[in-house]
Amino acid sequence: AQSVTQLDSQVPVFEEAPVELRCNYSSSVSVYLFWYVQYPNQGLQLLLKYLSGSTLVKGINGFEAEFNKSQTSFHLRKPSVHISDTAEYFCAVSPFSGGYNKLIFGAGTRLAVHP
Amino acid sequence: NAGVMQNPRHLVRRRGQEARLRCSPMKGHSHVYWYRQLPEEGLKFMVYLQKENIIDESGMPKERFSAEFPKEGPSILRIQQVVRGDSAAYFCASSPQFRGGENTIYFGEGSWLTVV
Repeated sequence: AQSVTQLDSQVPVFEEAPVELRCNYSSSVSVYLFWYVQYPNQGLQLLLKYLSGSTLVKGINGFEAEFNKSQTSFHLRKPSVHISDTAEYFCAVSPFSGGYNKLIFGAGTRLAVHP
Repeated sequence: NAGVMQNPRHLVRRRGQEARLRCSPMKGHSHVYWYRQLPEEGLKFMVYLQKENIIDESGMPKERFSAEFPKEGPSILRIQQVVRGDSAAYFCASSPQFRGGENTIYFGEGSWLTVV
């Protein structure tokens, strides 16, 4: 079985400051890793994903994440946030399995960017 | 995401009524997933379907919930005799036929069900 823990339920930050949203996972099998963003009353948009290869993954809107296998972490970072980054961010894993993505999500981190 | 169409976007039902949520996958996608998001929680997997087949329904409640993806037409998530605890956002996602490796899924904008 897999589980995902997002260590912070809310992260307040000032505009143009850097931010890190933390994600740890547990799995007995290899997994793919994802970060999604959800704006209020909208669906999920894929920010980035780690499948294999380089452990530093770059995504949309200036976000990046680093996969750390030994620490089973996949933290999301952005060097300078904007007001428009205010949203809910979800970390998710999907086990390598028979041809479909059964995503297991964390509980989410609410990023609030203040002017 | 653009392409996965869900309707209705908002639905209000009284306790005991039925709710039907529809999902049209992205063009060319033959796989559909349903997820539920309860207030203040992350998304939870419910069911994975291919055309005319339920492949994995391990996340579906045992009673009152059913899903289908017919040969023609959208996928339907049906909730019978709704209760207040069914109030949630229901998200549909789709993906193309698996061809090896990771198979990214794309989410719709969700259907918000409110049971009064």
